[in-house]
Amino acid sequence: DAGVIQSPRHEVTEMGQEVTLRCKPISGHNSLFWYRQTMMRGLELLIYFNNNVPIDDSGMPEDRFSAKMPNASFSTLKIQPSEPRDSAVYFCASSLAGAGKNQPQHFGDGTRLSIL
Amino acid sequence: GQSLEQPSEVTAVEGAIVQINCTYQTSGFYGLSWYQQHDGGAPTFLSYNALDGLEETGRFSSFLSRSDSYGYLLLQELQMKDSASYFCAVRSGGFQKLVFGTGTRLLVSP
Repeated sequence: DAGVIQSPRHEVTEMGQEVTLRCKPISGHNSLFWYRQTMMRGLELLIYFNNNVPIDDSGMPEDRFSAKMPNASFSTLKIQPSEPRDSAVYFCASSLAGAGKNQPQHFGDGTRLSIL
Repeated sequence: GQSLEQPSEVTAVEGAIVQINCTYQTSGFYGLSWYQQHDGGAPTFLSYNALDGLEETGRFSSFLSRSDSYGYLLLQELQMKDSASYFCAVRSGGFQKLVFGTGTRLLVSP
């Protein structure tokens, strides 16, 4: 079975450019999460969706960040304009939602973003 | 606020047993998860405790005490491939939302 697919795997761009990260969750999963990982701040939840609807975006650092999920099989995280401090590994994860039995999150391989 | 504390680094030798502790303070608690992450890789799920007690999965076990807001991951018969970072994570709400700890780097030496 295909896991969570993220693209690109690596992105190097100059400050001020727009960056778009893409994610395809596991088929049948109805929750999708975007995380950012850095040495200083660890693994931070940026935003998550349930059934394509944003539930909690309190982790989005500022207005330069935006995320969309137009359908159940695709999500984007956009940074515009990008800044050097946005350099990090960005992970997308998906799971089955529900208040009952725990369902683990399955992570993609991440996008390693470097802003020069 | 929500916070999870773990030791930053633990070292051990092959074949040994190591315990990685996690204490948490969260608003709302459904359960405690553990994830493993190798350098350059993605976090992968190891275990989950919703109730007090010990859960065993092969060489790995996880323990939870809800009254103490404390849990640990126990790794037995350590192998070199167990060298990785280990994160505890609290499920504090619906939709499987997790808050991750800062991670513990485990170094296994021959």
